[in-house]
Amino acid sequence: ELKVEQNPLFLSMQEGKNYTIYCNYSTTSDRLYWYRQDPGKSLESLFVLLSNGAVKQEGRLMASLDTKARLSTLHITAAVHDLSATYFCAVGVTGTASKLTFGTGTRLQVTL
Amino acid sequence: DAGVIQSPRHEVTEMGQEVTLRCKPISGHNSLFWYRQTMMRGLELLIYFNNNVPIDDSGMPEDRFSAKMPNASFSTLKIQPSEPRDSAVYFCASSQGPHLTGHHEADTQYFGPGTRLTVL
Repeated sequence: ELKVEQNPLFLSMQEGKNYTIYCNYSTTSDRLYWYRQDPGKSLESLFVLLSNGAVKQEGRLMASLDTKARLSTLHITAAVHDLSATYFCAVGVTGTASKLTFGTGTRLQVTL
Repeated sequence: DAGVIQSPRHEVTEMGQEVTLRCKPISGHNSLFWYRQTMMRGLELLIYFNNNVPIDDSGMPEDRFSAKMPNASFSTLKIQPSEPRDSAVYFCASSQGPHLTGHHEADTQYFGPGTRLTVL
């Protein structure tokens, strides 16, 4: 059974600081996604990572994938308050059609 | 495109009543997913469909839950009878599916706004 773990579960950081969220998964995967969820809202797709060494960047967020280590990271550069949200990684397994397994989520709080 | 549409957005009901949640996926999407989100258990996949056919319902908690997809543009999740522990936010999501395009970007799931269910 595929397990997807994120850490930390909760992160409080000051504006302007850098930090990284980690996503580990337990079996071989051919695709990994990052989502954002604002409080009381739905999930919004951020990135799709499809190959070893893939890197995607959007604004202050950068995601990377190491399929050999079964690890993805979401790096936050110079955090701003608007980035406060819960971030989920989701992993797909070859042969399971469109199914994704979501991690536990990392709640990010950016303070002034 | 209007995105994934769910109704109702909020539902408050009493224990023992039947609850039906509705979902309209994005036009052209071939895969549809039902999730439940709670503080205690996080985001759980209940069931998903490919081309209107249920593929994996192993996440459905018990026989009180059932889901149907009679056509490509509509799905329902029914709880009968409802219990207080069913209180949660239920999300529907859809994706295009890679089997048409061969590209895994097509696996990106787009989520609806959710239905917040409260069972008293």
